Amino acid sequence: SQQGEEDPQALSIQEGENATMNCSYKTSINNLQWYRQNSGRGLVHLILIRSNEREKHSGRLRVTLDTSKKSSSLLITASRAADTASYFCATDATGYSTLTFGKGTMLLVSP
Amino acid sequence: DAGVTQSPTHLIKTRGQQVTLRCSPISGHKSVSWYQQVLGQGPQFIFQYYEKEERGRGNFPDRFSARQFPNYSSELNVNALLLGDSALYLCASSSGTGVGQPQHFGDGTRLSIL
Repeated sequence: SQQGEEDPQALSIQEGENATMNCSYKTSINNLQWYRQNSGRGLVHLILIRSNEREKHSGRLRVTLDTSKKSSSLLITASRAADTASYFCATDATGYSTLTFGKGTMLLVSP
Repeated sequence: DAGVTQSPTHLIKTRGQQVTLRCSPISGHKSVSWYQQVLGQGPQFIFQYYEKEERGRGNFPDRFSARQFPNYSSELNVNALLLGDSALYLCASSSGTGVGQPQHFGDGTRLSIL
């Protein structure tokens, strides 16, 4: 079963704009991870944030975590056409990376 | 270094048949996990193995089984295939040491059941 939901389900923006995706989950977690999936391919790990962290940055990515609201957000700044993909949040309740994924957000970045 | 490799890439089976999917982890990775991704959904956890021992099992029927070999490669077996087993089956590996290791995914095996 899915742990939670990403919002929005689909997002369409122009190159250079920022993209924000949100994730809600239901149970206590050890960490939360974001992955990207290009059509028909495997998932690529983007960033991991631990339950005792509130914000993390990696290049053009910024992730926030609010454990009191059981929610996270992923911000991609200055989007590029190559960022077009599906983005999934995944929660890890045990710390052993047995991940529970949401349904994902499909991001389309137009040139 | 080679990433996670899965074989075959595509497979077509009929209802009631059995299938074996294979996964080779990144060199040095001792943990292998299997996920099922139905079209339009996120991946769903099936199994995790670490050092040849089953560490976790998701909510899947006993028709699904897996094992890990001494070289850390893994096989996923599915018996008595149903139409609903049609999906992308993903294998992921991690070093398995420490808490919260990111997973490295292969490109999956696309299984179609007729």
